[in-house]
Amino acid sequence: DIQMTQSPSTLSASVGDRVTITCRANQKISSWVAWYQHKPGKAPKLLIYDVYTLESGVPSRFSGSETGTEFALTISSLQPDDIATYYCQQYDTYPWTFGQGTKVEVK
Amino acid sequence: EVQLVESGGDLSQPGGSLRLSCAASGFTFSNHAMSWVRQAPGKGLEWVSSISGSGGSVHYADSVKGRFTISRDNSNNTLYLKMSSLRAEDTALYFCARDPGAAPQPRYFFDYWGLGAPVTVSS
Repeated sequence: DIQMTQSPSTLSASVGDRVTITCRANQKISSWVAWYQHKPGKAPKLLIYDVYTLESGVPSRFSGSETGTEFALTISSLQPDDIATYYCQQYDTYPWTFGQGTKVEVK
Repeated sequence: EVQLVESGGDLSQPGGSLRLSCAASGFTFSNHAMSWVRQAPGKGLEWVSSISGSGGSVHYADSVKGRFTISRDNSNNTLYLKMSSLRAEDTALYFCARDPGAAPQPRYFFDYWGLGAPVTVSS
């Protein structure tokens, strides 16, 4: 199975900070990576797919990138509404696998 | 508006069975592959199973293969997950999720999710 190692597990930042979350795949995968935002008691929300493509309606402060087997989600200016847990997902090869999650908190 | 509403979550003894349902609305159900994803208490997301729009192709995580069965009723816009031989490690919130790709080409990620159905396996 493809393992997605996500880091950090927790991130504390101030409103307005640039924040980056990374996922490293344990083998080469194509650009089939998505990012989700999950708030307690709510349905997970798709943010980005195919590494870079922003889902309709998602603020442009969210962006995705890749460097080799490392994939990143960046929030250019953290907002209070961004407090949530974020997950990456690879859909290159079954079984689809998620990263362990990054909980984003505001200082 | 796309809506996915899970039901059927309950408390079960180890070795027991449960059937989850996911009622879909706001889109042409048969055009989209569907999946179940779970979240154990305090843990991250885990993909469980997927089914094509026609129901003719299914996939399972190794952790549930042979114990869980995914199915769908396109005439009633409902997705199911039959869970048998339940174990304590199956305790989780089970989400129903839609694949955004229109048949016959799924995309394999998830653009709409439900709120989840809680399943607890304990004696």
